[in-house]
Amino acid sequence: SAVISQKPSRDICQRGTSLTIQCQVDSQVTMMFWYRQQPGQSLTLIATANQGSEATYESGFVIDKFPISRPNLTFSTLTVSNMSPEDSSIYLCSVEQGNTIYFGEGSWLTVV
Amino acid sequence: DQQVKQNSPSLSVQEGRISILNCDYTNSMFDYFLWYKKYPAEGPTFLISISSIKDKNEDGRFTVFLNKSAKHLSLHIVPSQPGDSAVYFCAASGTFSSGSARQLTFGSGTQLTVLP
Repeated sequence: SAVISQKPSRDICQRGTSLTIQCQVDSQVTMMFWYRQQPGQSLTLIATANQGSEATYESGFVIDKFPISRPNLTFSTLTVSNMSPEDSSIYLCSVEQGNTIYFGEGSWLTVV
Repeated sequence: DQQVKQNSPSLSVQEGRISILNCDYTNSMFDYFLWYKKYPAEGPTFLISISSIKDKNEDGRFTVFLNKSAKHLSLHIVPSQPGDSAVYFCAASGTFSSGSARQLTFGSGTQLTVLP
């Protein structure tokens, strides 16, 4: 399976600021996905990122709030913009290999 | 509208016994199902999967059963070990007619506690 590294692993952020999460994969992948898990809830897909094209966002998520970059086949970033306490969550990068999706360790954000 | 449901938020099992985790889905377009295990402060770890063309898949202590007519799948862990204590997520995917790539829809998770 792919090895997925995320940075930062954990951060405490001030309300109104923005934070960019980086995701690095040890092999080239076509599809990268960004998920969120809010406290006590399940995992929810934010967007799908293909290299060379605009990210596709799920209902309830917009580019202005969660801009994504996908400059090459091994790297992606997710920015959480203008953060509020409701954005406190685990943000997970994942990739598809075969029919299976593998996750990184997650980035734990707390907004105060 | 929850397309993937795990109706039991928690389950406690004695060490050595069988753990059975259940999952129901509503979207008949799902054709691939996965189970993930998640420890606190870690990302989900892939456990086992099953394609809709099968009704059973086994990997060591883990077996997943799929009942397509009932839109139900279950994960059996035998024998259960204390290290199995974690949150287990059921997930479903499919390549839908819109041409969108495979994406996962997760259930809400079941906290399994294996008692020594």
